Amino acid sequence: NAGVMQNPRHLVRRRGQEARLRCSPMKGHSHVYWYRQLPEEGLKFMVYLQKENIIDESGMPKERFSAEFPKEGPSILRIQQVVRGDSAAYFCASSSRQGAYEQYFGPGTRLTVT
Amino acid sequence: AQRVTQPEKLLSVFKGAPVELKCNYSYSGSPELFWYVQYSRQRLQLLLRHISRESIKGFTADLNKGETSFHLKKPFAQEEDSAMYYCAISSGSGSRLTFGEGTQLTVNP
Repeated sequence: NAGVMQNPRHLVRRRGQEARLRCSPMKGHSHVYWYRQLPEEGLKFMVYLQKENIIDESGMPKERFSAEFPKEGPSILRIQQVVRGDSAAYFCASSSRQGAYEQYFGPGTRLTVT
Repeated sequence: AQRVTQPEKLLSVFKGAPVELKCNYSYSGSPELFWYVQYSRQRLQLLLRHISRESIKGFTADLNKGETSFHLKKPFAQEEDSAMYYCAISSGSGSRLTFGEGTQLTVNP
């Protein structure tokens, strides 16, 4: 089991461009969580999804950010019209059931906005 | 709102010395608390959770509801314990994790 996969590992975007971050959960996991880590800060929850459903998006910024977890394929975190403040590490985690019993984390995607 | 505080950003001890990483939380319900660890160039991984009452790699953590603390302890630190440690709490719905800002532990030879 390769674990949670995220790609790309590093992403550079100019201001105003779109960023797409992908997360493939562990095999058999249908629950996906996205977290953001700004420089010098801890991880902050963004969104929790199950297949085809957004369960909790209370941590998502109201504008420019969206997430999906389709029936087939990876979960996608999409940031439109990126700004410098979006520069951060974005982590995805997956679990086999609802709850924080054990969330397995991916290696993260480091987004740099120039 | 739930909140986790790790007062020490950096902690340095010598090999063989006891180590304690502090974690305080605020939460209105019955919390579930965790310690996650990130070794250099590795992904974040679960170290232990309070409901399991287990000892992993010699580390233990006791939930003190009176002091709202969940400090991580090890009686004899090893060099391979050097890592970033995050305390985390789960919400009432049991899904999202709220993390502290982390403590970078360095164990010197």
